[in-house]
Amino acid sequence: KAGVTQTPRYLIKTRGQQVTLSCSPISGHRSVSWYQQTPGQGLQFLFEYFSETQRNKGNFPGRFSGRQFSNSRSEMNVSTLELGDSALYLCASSLGGSVEQYFGPGTRLTVT
Amino acid sequence: SQQGEEDPQALSIQEGENATMNCSYKTSINNLQWYRQNSGRGLVHLILIRSNEREKHSGRLRVTLDTSKKSSSLLITASRAADTASYFCATATGGSYIPTFGRGTSLIVHP
Repeated sequence: KAGVTQTPRYLIKTRGQQVTLSCSPISGHRSVSWYQQTPGQGLQFLFEYFSETQRNKGNFPGRFSGRQFSNSRSEMNVSTLELGDSALYLCASSLGGSVEQYFGPGTRLTVT
Repeated sequence: SQQGEEDPQALSIQEGENATMNCSYKTSINNLQWYRQNSGRGLVHLILIRSNEREKHSGRLRVTLDTSKKSSSLLITASRAADTASYFCATATGGSYIPTFGRGTSLIVHP
């Protein structure tokens, strides 16, 4: 099976812009979670989608949003980018209800 | 705040030696997982241990869990240069299956 894929792998944006990141889960996986990883805060949970519905949400401002499509692919959007949003954004998929998650390679976002 | 905290933060060893890293957590858990992350890449799941288990093995990996001490350890035996990575513990608590990650142990294995 193909693994979790994320596009783009690298992105440079300017403060105030918005960005959309994409994640394609492993075939058959219906749960997709997003994480932000920074040197200062470590890995932090953003949100989880299951069958096109947000099932869990972390403690991030409303500028961070996401959605999931009927084929389980997911996107996350960050509006009005801030310098502090520079991070590695990781997507993980699972069967849904399964604890074990499979991570993609991440999207490295740099905000200047 | 982080639920799990790994110790040490960094570990440097020679190839062939064993590497032990520890994870302590604050509240009762449903399960604990260990993940590996190669520099700037995605995480790879290593082992899941449930709260009613005490020890699990997977190849050169051995994980122990002591719920009375709220701690877990990951042992990598006969380490290889390819084991160089960051290792994270992740815990799920209460009714949630969403894992909370620690800050990780950075392991360097010198050839």
